[in-house]
Amino acid sequence: KQEVTQIPAALSVPEGENLVLNCSFTDSAIYNLQWFRQDPGKGLTSLLLIQSSQREQTSGRLNASLDKSSGRSTLYIAASQPGDSATYLCAVRNTGNQFYFGTGTSLTVIP
Amino acid sequence: ETGVTQTPRHLVMGMTNKKSLKCEQHLGHNAMYWYKQSAKKPLELMFVYNFKEQTENNSVPSRFSPECPNSSHLFLHLHTLQPEDSALYLCASSPEQGKRLFFGSGTQLSVL
Repeated sequence: KQEVTQIPAALSVPEGENLVLNCSFTDSAIYNLQWFRQDPGKGLTSLLLIQSSQREQTSGRLNASLDKSSGRSTLYIAASQPGDSATYLCAVRNTGNQFYFGTGTSLTVIP
Repeated sequence: ETGVTQTPRHLVMGMTNKKSLKCEQHLGHNAMYWYKQSAKKPLELMFVYNFKEQTENNSVPSRFSPECPNSSHLFLHLHTLQPEDSALYLCASSPEQGKRLFFGSGTQLSVL
């Protein structure tokens, strides 16, 4: 069964810093990987989706990379802002159509 | 606003009550999902419907009963729940099963 791990569980940085969130998965036979943002008590917002054939995707200050062979993905956030404070989750889809989620990294950006 | 609407936002119920959660999407998506999110745990997939047909039931207890009358609406009927069922219940949709997920804001359920 696919297992998804996100480290660290929590991260606190000063405003303006660039930062990297990590996601690792045990089964490299994936179809795609998504990064989500979740604000407290709310649903998840899809940020980026990387297909298994892709190496990275970019949206504004966000860049997600995928290394399928090593079972890793990173989410890079440039010039962090207090509004970026949220929990970031990654989810991996296997060829069987099911998504497996990590437990997330709780990010706090300090003004 | 993701285009997926869940009601109610909050629900408190006793163990003997019967209630229903509702999810609605007008994105033209064909797949709809129920997930359970408990503190400190990964999201757990409960049910998947693709073109109104249930394609996944992730060993969910029978006190949770899904219903998908059409591709735009999804319900989760609840009866005789346990306190450990308290969680955030999230509905999601995707253009087809396995594609990008769009989530609703969730229903925060407390079982007393």
